[in-house]
Amino acid sequence: EAQVTQNPRYLITVTGKKLTVTCSQNMNHEYMSWYRQDPGLGLRQIYYSMNVEVTDKGDVPEGYKVSRKEKRNFPLILESPSPNQTSLYFCASRPTGISNSPLHFGNGTRLTVT
Amino acid sequence: GQNIDQPTEMTATEGAIVQINCTYQTSGFNGLFWYQQHAGEAPTFLSYNVLDGLEEKGRFSSFLSRSKGYSYLLLKELQMKDSASYLCAVRDSGGYQKVTFGTGTKLQVIP
Repeated sequence: EAQVTQNPRYLITVTGKKLTVTCSQNMNHEYMSWYRQDPGLGLRQIYYSMNVEVTDKGDVPEGYKVSRKEKRNFPLILESPSPNQTSLYFCASRPTGISNSPLHFGNGTRLTVT
Repeated sequence: GQNIDQPTEMTATEGAIVQINCTYQTSGFNGLFWYQQHAGEAPTFLSYNVLDGLEEKGRFSSFLSRSKGYSYLLLKELQMKDSASYLCAVRDSGGYQKVTFGTGTKLQVIP
């Protein structure tokens, strides 16, 4: 089944404790992206990647890191989480070169930082 | 940059028709998407418009007017399961074709 898989689904952590949210897709998509979703603010892009070893900042990159060593994986790293990073996070992917291709989203990771 | 506006909330009756509007301002346009998102779940793709006019997909239709920077999503024969948020998203024409999302319209379907 074609899908984007995020783990974990729920995570509660404390301020300053490094964490990684994994994202993997099995559709051979070149483009991958991370979003956070907060009430009243909608989906905001954190980082994106056009292909392996090519990543760039989105609209809200502060406090986050990403890597794209393999085409299928795009982990999101919070080196020192803070309470303002409490949010619902989505990973998404799509093929490039097809103009009408929608984003395929993972099931989300609900992060709480205390 | 892009600016996308859609109503925050709407209520409609089961069996009725509802229209959710979206207006946008963008420096370069390369398509508009509508997604459905149930609470706490992932957004799922509903429709795509890049040319002016109406695209119909079963009970759902989406309309686009590029000159007016305007789109709407039309839901017919509303069902209780249509209670969800509906996200308007615009793809720009830049190098990596960034997609910017509106804040979503929360639709409540009542009996």
